[in-house]
Amino acid sequence: DGGITQSPKYLFRKEGQNVTLSCEQNLNHDAMYWYRQDPGQGLRLIYYSQIVNDFQKGDIAEGYSVSREKKESFPLTVTSAQKNPTAFYLCASSPGLAGGANTGELFFGEGSRLTVL
Amino acid sequence: AQSVTQLDSQVPVFEEAPVELRCNYSSSVSVYLFWYVQYPNQGLQLLLKYLSGSTLVESINGFEAEFNKSQTSFHLRKPSVHISDTAEYFCAVSDLSNFNKFYFGSGTKLNVKP
Repeated sequence: DGGITQSPKYLFRKEGQNVTLSCEQNLNHDAMYWYRQDPGQGLRLIYYSQIVNDFQKGDIAEGYSVSREKKESFPLTVTSAQKNPTAFYLCASSPGLAGGANTGELFFGEGSRLTVL
Repeated sequence: AQSVTQLDSQVPVFEEAPVELRCNYSSSVSVYLFWYVQYPNQGLQLLLKYLSGSTLVESINGFEAEFNKSQTSFHLRKPSVHISDTAEYFCAVSDLSNFNKFYFGSGTKLNVKP
């Protein structure tokens, strides 16, 4: 089945450690996104990528890093510089530009819940 | 940049009653509009979307939303809710002047009581 796979679903980390969240899609989508979700704050954009080997910072990129070496993969690293990393992280993808206009909605993975101990 | 406002953080309602979840966005430029639903500890699922054409869009499970350009609103309605509709609902906007960037509201938790 086509979709987006995030792993791990639950992750615990000690303060000062980096952790990498995996996101893989087999939808052949060009664009991929990482969002952070906190209670009552909706979704906030961390990073997004419109094409392989290119990505842009979102609204809350500090303390995070990404790579886009393959079309189907967009891993997110939560670094020790992120002051409050405990949150629910959502990866998404969209078809991207099609004939000059974005005609697609976002497709989401099941999320990864990170807890810092 | 766009901003999306969902005026109600929580909406309690009894089963079989009607419900409206409100959504307003900031910019009058051309946009695509979406409603997503999220069940606990899961990702978001698309409920319905407006891209163009008829301003009233419907989902397969009885929800509908109407695009009102003059009021920059995209309110979600259902004439009769079910217990299984209990979830959090997010309104989202895709700004056509900034392709591939989506803006989300803060969410509305719908709690359907028996």
